[in-house]
Amino acid sequence: GENVEQHPSTLSVQEGDSAVIKCTYSDSASNYFPWYKQELGKRPQLIIDIRSNVGEKKDQRIAVTLNKTAKHFSLHITETQPEDSAVYFCAASQRSAGNMLTFGGGTRLMVKP
Amino acid sequence: DAGITQSPRHKVTETGTPVTLRCHQTENHRYMYWYRQDPGHGLRLIHYSYGVKDTDKGEVSDGYSVSRSKTEDFLLTLESATSSQTSVYFCAISKETGELFFGEGSRLTVL
Repeated sequence: GENVEQHPSTLSVQEGDSAVIKCTYSDSASNYFPWYKQELGKRPQLIIDIRSNVGEKKDQRIAVTLNKTAKHFSLHITETQPEDSAVYFCAASQRSAGNMLTFGGGTRLMVKP
Repeated sequence: DAGITQSPRHKVTETGTPVTLRCHQTENHRYMYWYRQDPGHGLRLIHYSYGVKDTDKGEVSDGYSVSRSKTEDFLLTLESATSSQTSVYFCAISKETGELFFGEGSRLTVL
């Protein structure tokens, strides 16, 4: 089955700096790569996703890049703000398989004011 | 919010007792999932359902069973709870866009 590795497990940045979280996956058949943000005590919520026919996607301060050849994808957050502090999860799935997501282990992002 | 509710939200039980967690949705989504969340492991799939009475195992299904007798309800049962099943359990539905939407979670402590 699919295996998703996520790095780093913790990341501390100064407000205004950029943050990058990286993930690798093992199953070349995976074609859907979402990112979830989980604030303390809350449910994970989708913040951005990318499909295998796209190399990059942006939404305001958030961008995701995908390299299918190398089987890795990354989340980029620019101009970080204290409210970006949370745990971020990457995931991968084959859309044809009922969208069963395999998650990475998570990255705790701390943005220091 | 995709109309997902989980119950109970918190439960403390003793080793060896049966536990059932309920997930209820109001939007008639076909796919439903149970994940557990543990530090360092992210979210791991326990079981999923692709329709009434249609269920299958996920990555960490040992010690768990599920049932889906109605579209709106997906039950997760621990027949004999163990301390290793102390976790936060999330139910999720799959929207037509492909997005997984999670419930608020159920925190289970097995003493």
